[in-house]
Amino acid sequence: SAVISQKPSRDICQRGTSLTIQCQVDSQVTMMFWYRQQPGQSLTLIATANQGSEATYESGFVIDKFPISRPNLTFSTLTVSNMSPEDSSIYLCSREYEQFFGPGTRLTVL
Amino acid sequence: SQQGEEDPQALSIQEGENATMNCSYKTSINNLQWYRQNSGRGLVHLILIRSNEREKHSGRLRVTLDTSKKSSSLLITASRAADTASYFCATDVFSGYSTLTFGKGTMLLVSP
Repeated sequence: SAVISQKPSRDICQRGTSLTIQCQVDSQVTMMFWYRQQPGQSLTLIATANQGSEATYESGFVIDKFPISRPNLTFSTLTVSNMSPEDSSIYLCSREYEQFFGPGTRLTVL
Repeated sequence: SQQGEEDPQALSIQEGENATMNCSYKTSINNLQWYRQNSGRGLVHLILIRSNEREKHSGRLRVTLDTSKKSSSLLITASRAADTASYFCATDVFSGYSTLTFGKGTMLLVSP
């Protein structure tokens, strides 16, 4: 099975700050995905990160709030900008082809 | 909006019993996948069933898919306390590229 790692695994941040989450996959893939899981909820797709092009955002998510980078075929970052307590969630990345998921980043915003 | 709807939302059983979870979805799919999540951690991929498959087995897991009814079921046989987790179905729809739409999940509690 694929190996996907994320950093940090968890963080506690202050309102108004930003956090960048890193995702590394063990093999080259064209597409990586970022999901959000709010407390007690299911996963919702934030955006699709395609190497070499702008990320594609789902309805309700915008680039200014969740800028994404995809500098190569094994790495992506998601930034949660100008955070508020409502951003407290688990953020997970995944890759195409049977979409294995990273371990997630548990974010708490105070 | 979420594609899949699991039922039951919560299931409590004793060790050794079988656990069945169901998932319904609304649109045509390419495949359907089941995941497990322990205590809000990362998702573990359990099994993928393609739209042209009707049943698939993996160890103590059995997944069925009925595309005419737009539903799937996950059966865990001879459950163990370690199976306690949330289980999600996720559908891969014909969107031109693979994105998953998740159901709300079933919380399974297996008591020793």
